[in-house]
Amino acid sequence: AQKVTQAQTEISVVEKEDVTLDCVYETRDTTYYLFWYKQPPSGELVFLIRRNSFDEQNEISGRYSWNFQKSTSSFNFTITASQVVDSAVYFCALSEAPSGGYQKVTFGTGTKLQVIP
Amino acid sequence: NAGVMQNPRHLVRRRGQEARLRCSPMKGHSHVYWYRQLPEEGLKFMVYLQKENIIDESGMPKERFSAEFPKEGPSILRIQQVVRGDSAAYFCASSSRQGFNEQYFGPGTRLTVT
Repeated sequence: AQKVTQAQTEISVVEKEDVTLDCVYETRDTTYYLFWYKQPPSGELVFLIRRNSFDEQNEISGRYSWNFQKSTSSFNFTITASQVVDSAVYFCALSEAPSGGYQKVTFGTGTKLQVIP
Repeated sequence: NAGVMQNPRHLVRRRGQEARLRCSPMKGHSHVYWYRQLPEEGLKFMVYLQKENIIDESGMPKERFSAEFPKEGPSILRIQQVVRGDSAAYFCASSSRQGFNEQYFGPGTRLTVT
């Protein structure tokens, strides 16, 4: 069975600080996808990134960067120079290889980030 | 707007009433997933449907919950005789085909049972 652990329940940082959100996953599959979603106070889910298990290259998108390490089953997310608008709940998620032709996404419990001005 | 649509966005029901949540997938998508997010928790898979077929309902509570995705019209998640514990956000996602394909999420329906 697949599992996603986000050990940090809540994090508070002061604006302009860097912050890293941890994500550790468990899966028996060799083929899988990892995701990060942002859920702002308004409640919708905003897709941030998808990474497949064969691509361990780190990715940077503006102030966001992701570090994928298969050796430690981790997919951590760093926000550089945080801003108040980054305040949200962030979810890490895992999708294993399709079983029966479809995939179920397993979400972590989320990390609530508060950026203080 | 060609995104996944859910309505209503907010739904208030008294205990014992029925709740109907609707999900219109993205244009061209024939695969629908429903997830539930209880307060302070992550999303949990409930059911996966294709047009006119329930493929996997392993995450659905055994009683009072049902889902359908008719040939025409939106997917419906139906909760009969709601209880306070059903209060949650219900998200729908759609994808265009089977296999590894990104699921696009709707904005969610927030159900409050009073």
